Amino acid sequence: EPEVTQTPSHQVTQMGQEVILRCVPISNHLYFYWYRQILGQKVEFLVSFYNNEISEKSEIFDDRFSVERPDGSNFTLKIRSTKLEDSAMYFCASARDTSQETQYFGPGTRLLVL
Amino acid sequence: GIQVEQSPPDLILQEGANSTLRCNFSDSVNNLQWFHQNPWGQLINLFYIPSGTKQNGRLSATTVATERYSLLYISSSQTTDSGVYFCAVEGGGTSYGKLTFGQGTILTVHP
Repeated sequence: EPEVTQTPSHQVTQMGQEVILRCVPISNHLYFYWYRQILGQKVEFLVSFYNNEISEKSEIFDDRFSVERPDGSNFTLKIRSTKLEDSAMYFCASARDTSQETQYFGPGTRLLVL
Repeated sequence: GIQVEQSPPDLILQEGANSTLRCNFSDSVNNLQWFHQNPWGQLINLFYIPSGTKQNGRLSATTVATERYSLLYISSSQTTDSGVYFCAVEGGGTSYGKLTFGQGTILTVHP
């Protein structure tokens, strides 16, 4: 069964550095998402992406965050000038369509900012 | 935005017991999914169920969209069922699939 993959599984960085989290969505999917989960809390929406542009973003997704689909298969989340509070599990998800379709989640990247 | 409330927040069971987890939501939905988060943090899809009833082995789910709630049933629980169960919804109207998650139910199944 096709699945969403994410790399790396764990990332440790120093505050102020830039990180790039990578995702490979399911191949025939058109809608892509990033969510995050701070330890012990619920999963929160960050951004949705369709047709090479952001469809919707949350207030968490400030100007330090950006997303890109550079080559038609990868979907990346970049965080510049990382802060301690960016430490969280980041999940990528994809769906064939929006609404009335299952979103499939990747295994997550655990980001720790020191 | 849409609000999602799950109950109970914690549930402790003996192996073999049955349980019901509840998800209430504040508005009409286009999408409702149940997830199991395992001890490694992975979110496992259980059901896509914006309405109706579905069953998969020992698990089943029912969503009554008109009354804005969904139930997840776990029968003959096993220790491997332990973890956090999340309900997530996409609100009705124009949307690009944004899922809003509940706070989750932490299930612990003892042998």
